[in-house]
Amino acid sequence: DTEVTQTPKHLVMGMTNKKSLKCEQHMGHRAMYWYKQKAKKPPELMFVYSYEKLSINESVPSRFSPECPNSSLLNLHLHALQPEDSALYLCASSQDGGPSYEQYFGPGTRLTVT
Amino acid sequence: AQRVTQPEKLLSVFKGAPVELKCNYSYSGSPELFWYVQYSRQRLQLLLRHISRESIKGFTADLNKGETSFHLKKPFAQEEDSAMYYCALANNAGNMLTFGGGTRLMVKP
Repeated sequence: DTEVTQTPKHLVMGMTNKKSLKCEQHMGHRAMYWYKQKAKKPPELMFVYSYEKLSINESVPSRFSPECPNSSLLNLHLHALQPEDSALYLCASSQDGGPSYEQYFGPGTRLTVT
Repeated sequence: AQRVTQPEKLLSVFKGAPVELKCNYSYSGSPELFWYVQYSRQRLQLLLRHISRESIKGFTADLNKGETSFHLKKPFAQEEDSAMYYCALANNAGNMLTFGGGTRLMVKP
């Protein structure tokens, strides 16, 4: 299995809701990433997990809470989001955090906050 | 701080014409550069990385440290090359990938 999967594909949530995005890979990768991509913009790094530990948090607001339950799974818990958080959320994984390792991207979850 | 600049948002060429997508970077360390591509309705995927010195789908890119550039080139564009292309820079630890703004390549028949 050489794919990164993400669920759900689409999510619509109100500003008072709590929801979670899920990402899964079975390639034995030890680094996993969350990116946010607004329309017609490049992906922007949010979080990096390396060997199941959070190694980078790019000053992301606390209403986004990542979790890495095991080496294959990465979650992004959402709470009290704002309409401006509407975007495509991409998950990626790589063999580890080494610079030459390719990042494999999932298809993304398109989030709409109403 | 690391920064990647792709000056062209859109590049339109005819089939068979040469293509050059420009990428300039700013980074104080030793750069690791990549080109990622996103075809219509497909996920973002790696096209090539400078360290491999490969030619993928006829594309090549040479790292020019003097000009801090990593331009993507193909001598004869094909319609199936139409896609969004992102240049990306990894930090020395390899855990931070910074993308340029992207260039949409349109290859007309």
